Amino acid sequence: GAGVSQSPSNKVTEKGKDVELRCDPISGHTALYWYRQSLGQGLEFLIYFQGNSAPDKSGLPSDRFSAERTGGSVSTLTIQRTQQEDSAVYLCASSQGGGSPFEAFFGQGTRLTVV
Amino acid sequence: RKEVEQDPGPFNVPEGATVAFNCTYSNSASQSFFWYRQDCRKEPKLLMSVYSSGNEDGRFTAQLNRASQYISLLIRDSKLSDSATYLCVVNHIPGNTPLVFGKGTRLSVIA
Repeated sequence: GAGVSQSPSNKVTEKGKDVELRCDPISGHTALYWYRQSLGQGLEFLIYFQGNSAPDKSGLPSDRFSAERTGGSVSTLTIQRTQQEDSAVYLCASSQGGGSPFEAFFGQGTRLTVV
Repeated sequence: RKEVEQDPGPFNVPEGATVAFNCTYSNSASQSFFWYRQDCRKEPKLLMSVYSSGNEDGRFTAQLNRASQYISLLIRDSKLSDSATYLCVVNHIPGNTPLVFGKGTRLSVIA
């Protein structure tokens, strides 16, 4: 069956440019997460969407980062004026959400390199 | 104190060994607990949920100690294919708060 899909799989961009990363969650999943992982490091939480609730943006590192989720499905993470420290793998995950501890399924990530 | 703390390792063990990982969490009201596995340059995948009564899945046993706020994972009869990073994951309020990941413990099983 279809899993979480992220695009692009790799992105090289010049410092100062804006980038958009896309996540297609599993159909029917109400919860969607964005994390980033630098080389050899753990997962850093960025933002969490749950149904129609206001997103939890507490993990966004600066105002250059924003995300939206349209129609409760596809999500886009936008990084403006990219910096070299933004280089990382950006991982999206989705789960059925609700009040139960459902498994989170991850996409394969977008590897962002800022040069 | 970090929300979820793990010993980063690496743990280098021979095939057939038993190895245990611990994880501590700071929020005493956390409700859901998991172990995820991440292979090199791959995405994390659920290994097992952790229940209050403890649970076992084949060679893997997970335990939760709410009083001491720690979670453990025991792997018996280690295989080469168990080599990976094991991530401890905590959810404060399922459905309302995001999953919080530990930085992971790296395991290398050596022939």
